[in-house]
Amino acid sequence: KAGVTQTPRYLIKTRGQQVTLSCSPISGHRSVSWYQQTPGQGLQFLFEYFSETQRNKGNFPGRFSGRQFSNSRSEMNVSTLELGDSALYLCASSGLTGDGANVLTFGAGSRLTVL
Amino acid sequence: AQTVTQSQPEMSVQEAETVTLSCTYDTSESDYYLFWYKQPPSRQMILVIRQEAYKQQNATENRFSVNFQKAAKSFSLKISDSQLGDAAMYFCVPMDSNYQLIWGAGTKLIIKP
Repeated sequence: KAGVTQTPRYLIKTRGQQVTLSCSPISGHRSVSWYQQTPGQGLQFLFEYFSETQRNKGNFPGRFSGRQFSNSRSEMNVSTLELGDSALYLCASSGLTGDGANVLTFGAGSRLTVL
Repeated sequence: AQTVTQSQPEMSVQEAETVTLSCTYDTSESDYYLFWYKQPPSRQMILVIRQEAYKQQNATENRFSVNFQKAAKSFSLKISDSQLGDAAMYFCVPMDSNYQLIWGAGTKLIIKP
């Protein structure tokens, strides 16, 4: 069973540019969540998509956006990049286990560096 | 807002020994899940163990077990027979009423050979 796939793994951008990150969830998982991880702030929740609808949203500016496609693949976009956007962006898909727990499975992450 | 406190930023343990990572949290919920995730240097976040708050029995997963004290809102992780591959950042993660995970700051676990 394939895991959660994130692309690209590493990328370098300059301030003012925009970036799009992609996430393919585990087959059958309909929920995809995005997190930003930085050394100073830890893991910060960006948003969650379920069946192409944003179900939850964290406290990030509107420069951060996302979407989910009918095949559950998700993309997140960051416009007008700032130096502080340099981070590891983690995607996680989730599905219910047999006992009803909603367990996240994470991808390897996309490391974004903004110069 | 719900909060999670992992009071030990870093811990070290000798290989084959036992170590306990502490976690306290604040929630008004009565029924919820709690998780421990680990993030090795490879950066892939991995689920270690989960606990349902309505269950009195502490969860166990091979060498990993938890001590869940619901009234005290404490959720510690015990790792027995520590192995070099256990070296990672460990995150205590309760789930709130909206099924959102609340992440602690993490504890860095170092295994001494």
